[in-house]
Parts: sequence; structure tokens; C-alpha cells
Amino acid sequence: KQEVTQIPAALSVPEGENLVLNCSFTDSAIYNLQWFRQDPGKGLTSLLLIQSSQREQTSGRLNASLDKSSGRSTLYIAASQPGDSATYLCAVKTDKLIFGTGTRLQVFP
Amino acid sequence: DGGITQSPKYLFRKEGQNVTLSCEQNLNHDAMYWYRQDPGQGLRLIYYSQIVNDFQKGDIAEGYSVSREKKESFPLTVTSAQKNPTAFYLCASRLTSGGLTDTQYFGPGTRLTVL
Repeated sequence: KQEVTQIPAALSVPEGENLVLNCSFTDSAIYNLQWFRQDPGKGLTSLLLIQSSQREQTSGRLNASLDKSSGRSTLYIAASQPGDSATYLCAVKTDKLIFGTGTRLQVFP
Repeated sequence: DGGITQSPKYLFRKEGQNVTLSCEQNLNHDAMYWYRQDPGQGLRLIYYSQIVNDFQKGDIAEGYSVSREKKESFPLTVTSAQKNPTAFYLCASRLTSGGLTDTQYFGPGTRLTVL
């Protein structure tokens, strides 16, 4: 059974820091992996989607990597800003999307 | 504007009452999904539908029912059989013609509280 874990559960950093969020999954048979952002009480917004054949994807200050063989993905956020404060969820696609429990990020000025 | 709408944003019901959550999309997406989110847990799939008039159970379908009479609508009914219905409910849709790599787009959610 596929399980997705995200570490750390919560993270608080000062503005301007580069940071890394981690996601691990137990079964490497996935079609893709996605990173989502969720603001409090809101829906999810897709940030990056990495197909199983890809190693990384970049969008602005965000870079996501995928190592299928080790069952790991990282989301790198460069030069963090207070507006980045949110919960970040990763999800792997098998026959359905399986979500991790998220990392709650707070960036303080 | 294209997107997914969920209504209401907040919903309060007495224990034992059925309640229906609305989800509408104008993205012309084929597939629609219902998830439940509890504090400290990831999203869990309740039901999904790939085409009109067809739907399948997800991981936690007990106590829930759905219908898909129109492509743009996928309402979720939380019945009195659901033992712990208080949660945040998210609806999503996906364009399936692009294959398995298409992302899901999420609505803003409905927070259901059973008193």
C-alpha cells in the first residue's frame, strides 16, 4: 500500500532563507508526483507536477526534484517571502492521487 | 472565469440529518472527485466520477453518496450513516483526455460541522 510522508510537519523561517521540504513515498510505481499549496481554509493550488520520467521541474523560485528509485521528492523554495506561508502538500499519482499530510510553513519578516 | 465552485463555504447540521454539498465546474473536465480533509491528515478520496452517470467509491465511501447527472455537477450527500462527518470537504476535477498526467483542479472547499 502506497504511503506518502512529509517531513517536517511544520517549519518556521525568517524571510529570505532558502528552504527544502521533503516528501517520501513507499512504492516507486507512480505516474507522477505533484506539489500543492494550501492556504488556511482554502482549496489546493497545484505548484509543480513531475512526471515519472522526469528528474525535476522549476517554476519561478520553486524547484521540485524526484528520485523514484529512492522514493523521494524535495521542494526547494528560494529566497522565501512571508507570502509563501501556507501548507505544502505532495501527492503521488497511481490509480489515484495519494496525499501526504503536509508541511505547514511560516515565513516571518 | 473558469473554475470550480463549492457551496456553501460553511455548513452546520444537527446529528442525524443528511446534508448535500454542491460542486460545480465550468472547465469542461470529464472527471470529478470528492476528498475529505481532517486536521493533521492528508486528503482522503471519498468518491470519483470519470464520466456522466458513472462513479466509483474511493477509500472512505461509507456514509456518503454522490450523483453525476450532468458533466459540470457532482454533488456529495453526507448521510446520517457517516459516523464522524465534521471535516473539510474538497471537490476537484480533471481533464482526462490528456492522460494520467493531467493535474486536478480544486475548489475552495466546504467546512461541515455537525452539532
